Amino acid sequence: EAGVAQSPRYKIIEKRQSVAFWCNPISGHATLYWYQQILGQGPKLLIQFQNNGVVDDSQLPKDRFSAERLKGVDSTLKIQPAKLEDSAVYLCASSTLYREGQMREKLFFGSGTQLSVL
Amino acid sequence: GDSVTQMEGPVTLSEEAFLTINCTYTATGYPSLFWYVQYPGEGLQLLLKATKADDKGSNKGFEATYRKETTSFHLEKGSVQVSDSAVYFCALLRGGYNKLIFGAGTRLAVHP
Repeated sequence: EAGVAQSPRYKIIEKRQSVAFWCNPISGHATLYWYQQILGQGPKLLIQFQNNGVVDDSQLPKDRFSAERLKGVDSTLKIQPAKLEDSAVYLCASSTLYREGQMREKLFFGSGTQLSVL
Repeated sequence: GDSVTQMEGPVTLSEEAFLTINCTYTATGYPSLFWYVQYPGEGLQLLLKATKADDKGSNKGFEATYRKETTSFHLEKGSVQVSDSAVYFCALLRGGYNKLIFGAGTRLAVHP
C-alpha cells in the first residue's frame, strides 16, 4: 500500500516570500490533516479536512496560511507571506472516514516538508 | 485544555538496557492514549495504543499501561536495540473528536 506522499522534501525561502506544500493521501482516505512540527515540539494540528470540507481550522493562522483540498483527494498548504517563526516541518496525514462519536486512532503520516525561513 | 507532557530527552542507553519514557496527560473525560515513533528520515508511525483505563498497549516489545489514577501512559521496553533509536511521541485523542494532541517528543539513542 502506498503511503502518504508529500513534496517538496525541503524548502528554503526568505521571509515575506510565499511557499506551497503538496500532499497526496492514501487512496480512499477521506480525512486529511496538516500538522506543523516546530523543532523540539510535538506536531500541532493546523487544519483537518473531511473529503473537501474543513472540519477544524481553529489553529490555522488564517492571515497568512491557507489550505485547500480540491476534489477531496490531494491537498495544498500555502504560506503567504512567510515569517521566520514558520520554520518547521509540515506533516500531512490521512485516515479513513471519521464519524461523530467514533474514534479514529490510526493516522498515517507522510515524511513531511522541512521549511526554513531565512 | 488537553495536554500531554513527556520527559525531556535525549535518553541515551546501551543495547539491551531497560527503557522507560514517562508520559502524563491532562484531559477531561476519558481520552484514548497513543505512542507514535519517528525514525530518522521517516514519517510518524503508530507504535501502540490504549483506549480505556488499565488497558495495556504493546507492540515490538514496547508496552504502555493506561493509568487513570495517575493520568500516565509510560512507555517501557525490557531490552532496547540500536534499531529502536528514534523520537517517541505520546499523544491523546478524546472521544467524539479526531484530533491528536502530541507531547513534545523524547529522543532515544541506543549505542552498541
